[in-house]
Amino acid sequence: KAGVTQTPRYLIKTRGQQVTLSCSPISGHRSVSWYQQTPGQGLQFLFEYFSETQRNKGNFPGRFSGRQFSNSRSEMNVSTLELGDSALYLCASSLLISVPRELFFGEGSRLTVL
Amino acid sequence: KQEVTQIPAALSVPEGENLVLNCSFTDSAIYNLQWFRQDPGKGLTSLLLIQSSQREQTSGRLNASLDKSSGRSTLYIAASQPGDSATYLCAVMGTGANSKLTFGKGITLSVRP
Repeated sequence: KAGVTQTPRYLIKTRGQQVTLSCSPISGHRSVSWYQQTPGQGLQFLFEYFSETQRNKGNFPGRFSGRQFSNSRSEMNVSTLELGDSALYLCASSLLISVPRELFFGEGSRLTVL
Repeated sequence: KQEVTQIPAALSVPEGENLVLNCSFTDSAIYNLQWFRQDPGKGLTSLLLIQSSQREQTSGRLNASLDKSSGRSTLYIAASQPGDSATYLCAVMGTGANSKLTFGKGITLSVRP
């Protein structure tokens, strides 16, 4: 059974550009969450989607957005990139939004902004 | 606002030692607590999940406990091996509309052969 798949794994962008990251959850999982990991702030919650609806959103500026498709795949977009957006972006999926609610993470997309 | 603390930030032990990693959280209204492992440049691997109604979970050489009232969890690793070297992260999930994971900064473990 395939795990959570994130693409691309690595990418380099320049300030002002935009980026789209993709996440395919484990088959059958309908909940997808996104997290940003930086050395200074650690792991921080971006947003969560379930059945194409955003259920929860973290404290990030509006430049960070996401969506979920009918097949549960999710994308997140960051517009007008800043140097501080350089991070590992992790996607997690879970089967349900109830018990036990175990999250499974992908390998991440490492974004470098120059 | 939930805050999760893991101290110390780094730990080095000789192979074969039993060790305990600590995690504390400020808000006891949690849905569950998960321990993860992260190898350099990799994603997170789920190790153990403890529901808020449970006291502990075991998997192989790992045992995690939860004391919700005191806001503490421990991850016990028995007979440590060099392959256990990694960063261990503790995360708590909030309840209801706050169903996100709040992570600690992690403990970087080095097991010396």
